[in-house]
Amino acid sequence: AQSVAQPEDQVNVAEGNPLTVKCTYSVSGNPYLFWYVQYPNRGLQFLLKYITGDNLVKGSYGFEAEFNKSQTSFHLKKPSALVSDSALYFCAALGGGFKTIFGAGTRLFVKA
Amino acid sequence: DTAVSQTPKYLVTQMGNDKSIKCEQNLGHDTMYWYKQDSKKFLKIMFSYNNKELIINETVPNRFSPKSPDKAHLNLHINSLELGDSAVYFCASSQDVQGDQPQHFGDGTRLSIL
Repeated sequence: AQSVAQPEDQVNVAEGNPLTVKCTYSVSGNPYLFWYVQYPNRGLQFLLKYITGDNLVKGSYGFEAEFNKSQTSFHLKKPSALVSDSALYFCAALGGGFKTIFGAGTRLFVKA
Repeated sequence: DTAVSQTPKYLVTQMGNDKSIKCEQNLGHDTMYWYKQDSKKFLKIMFSYNNKELIINETVPNRFSPKSPDKAHLNLHINSLELGDSAVYFCASSQDVQGDQPQHFGDGTRLSIL
C-alpha cells in the first residue's frame, strides 16, 4: 500500500538551531514529493517539492529538503529555526489515481 | 486577493440537517479538491474534479455530494448530518490533475454538529 510516514508527532528546537522534520514514503514509480505547512486556523501552504533533479530542494522561508532514494526519505530542514516557524508540517506524495497522500503531520515548536 | 476562498468559515448545526459549503478559486486552475481534516489533524481526500469532471471519489458516504458548476467552483452538499461529520473541510486547487504541481488550499470550513 502507498503511504507517507512522519515518525515524529512533535519536534522541539531552540531558536537559531538547525531543524529537521522527518518523512519517509512508499509509492510506486518515481516519487513526486511535497512539503506543506499549516498555521492555526489556516489552510495548508506549499513549501517545496521534489519531482526530479538535484536531491537537495530549496523552498520558501529558508526551508530545504533532502531526497534520498535508497532510504525512501524526504526530510525537511532549515539551518536556523525561527519562533515563527512553529506550525504543523505535512509531507505528501503523489500516489496512484492522481491522489496525493499526506503524512499525519509533525508539530514543530521553536523555543525562544 | 484570496486565491481559494471557502464559505462559510464556521458552520454549527444540528444532527440531521442538510448544509452546503462553497468554494471558489481565482487561480485559473483546472483541478479542485475537497479534503476532510479530523480532530487529530489527519487529512483525507474526499473528491477531486478536473474541468467539472469527477476524478476522485473516495469511500465517502453518499450523503456527501460535490457539485462543480464550472472549473472555478466546487461546492459540497451534505445531507442528514451526523456527529462524525464534525471536522474541518478544506477546498484546494491545482493547475492540473497530474499531481506534480502544488495544491493551493482555502482556510477551511469548521463544521460542528450538535
